[in-house]
Amino acid sequence: DVKVTQSSRYLVKRTGEKVFLECVQDMDHENMFWYRQDPGLGLRLIYFSYDVKMKEKGDIPEGYSVSREKKERFSLILESASTNQTSMYLCASLLNTEAFFGQGTRLTVV
Amino acid sequence: GEDVEQSLFLSVREGDSSVINCTYTDSSSTYLYWYKQEPGAGLQLLTYIFSNMDMKQDQRLTVLLNKKDKHLSLRIADTQTGDSAIYFCAERTPVSGGYQKVTFGIGTKLQVIP
Repeated sequence: DVKVTQSSRYLVKRTGEKVFLECVQDMDHENMFWYRQDPGLGLRLIYFSYDVKMKEKGDIPEGYSVSREKKERFSLILESASTNQTSMYLCASLLNTEAFFGQGTRLTVV
Repeated sequence: GEDVEQSLFLSVREGDSSVINCTYTDSSSTYLYWYKQEPGAGLQLLTYIFSNMDMKQDQRLTVLLNKKDKHLSLRIADTQTGDSAIYFCAERTPVSGGYQKVTFGIGTKLQVIP
């Protein structure tokens, strides 16, 4: 079974903190994605990566950056967390016909 | 650019058929997907269709693709209360370098009334 693991299920951070959300997949997939999910807005693509050290902006990259130093790990970074980044963050990796999702990280910025 | 649209809400009676619709704008889509998200759970792939197909059937699920109109639908026959969930339409499109990205719609909340 493919496994996509996000390091935290719940996180609470203060405004202005630097936040790292980690995602690891165990199937040597090239393509990995970070989405945020908000009520009424669905899943919005923040960043994606199709290879080590390669990254592309998605639809809402502002306030975020990413790191892909190893194929299995794709990190989402909030340089200076703000309250409007309170959301559910979902990581996915893509193999052929299916995108596999992690369990999600619910981030609250206070 | 890519844009995937769905209606927000659908309510059906148990035993009826449900039809969830989706439109997309990118004609270079390679695959189109339907994902299901139950309350408090992650996203699970329900079914997918290649962009060169127009129909796919899988037990109670029927996917119809009208490529000319860029319209995708998911029909659930004999809808059950366990089908209550949010259904996401998604398209996979190529980006530079031959790689792929996946864009989701906002999700349709299906409510099944007993």
